[in-house]
Amino acid sequence: DAGITQSPRHKVTETGTPVTLRCHQTENHRYMYWYRQDPGHGLRLIHYSYGVKDTDKGEVSDGYSVSRSKTEDFLLTLESATSSQTSVYFCAISDARPKVFGNTIYFGEGSWLTVV
Amino acid sequence: AQKVTQAQTEISVVEKEDVTLDCVYETRDTTYYLFWYKQPPSGELVFLIRRNSFDEQNEISGRYSWNFQKSTSSFNFTITASQVVDSAVYFCALSDVDSNYQLIWGAGTKLIIKP
Repeated sequence: DAGITQSPRHKVTETGTPVTLRCHQTENHRYMYWYRQDPGHGLRLIHYSYGVKDTDKGEVSDGYSVSRSKTEDFLLTLESATSSQTSVYFCAISDARPKVFGNTIYFGEGSWLTVV
Repeated sequence: AQKVTQAQTEISVVEKEDVTLDCVYETRDTTYYLFWYKQPPSGELVFLIRRNSFDEQNEISGRYSWNFQKSTSSFNFTITASQVVDSAVYFCALSDVDSNYQLIWGAGTKLIIKP
């Protein structure tokens, strides 16, 4: 199993409150990702990082921000949570050589977030 | 544009039957990678296999086998002698140069193995 730890694993929060999800990896992989998974939409990329302090937006980045101050940690922040952000959030990592490994992505166990 | 189609939304079989999950992909690139992931009811996503476009050799891993055919743009997954523990949602995905190696996901096939 890839060494990826997500916290918290489950959280219920109120609309308008800030929420931070943490992803920690022990694999020293350069790339890290945050996805959300929703019924009918499958897996959608929120943000990703290709190195410390290097991040980029995915297809559903509105309302989310990320930070990566260390190789092993990638934080996802919902500045002001909304009910539409109720979802399962997956952190993922991949090797730094997508052209060699096709960007094989390994996922964490997921964080279930409910915004009420 | 790239696309991955898993036409089977849900498949239900009785334990010990063989079952094939279909995956059809679209890409303009000659270099690309195909993947299968498993998501059991517990929710985690498990990487099963990666195949690159230059390797059409079929792969077998225990009861799992994968049939990659470039001529039909398909990368099908077969489970032989299915077991209840195989019940899960299975995702096929593609990465290529055009997508900057970001994964393009199929919608998933829910596989139900009945005892």
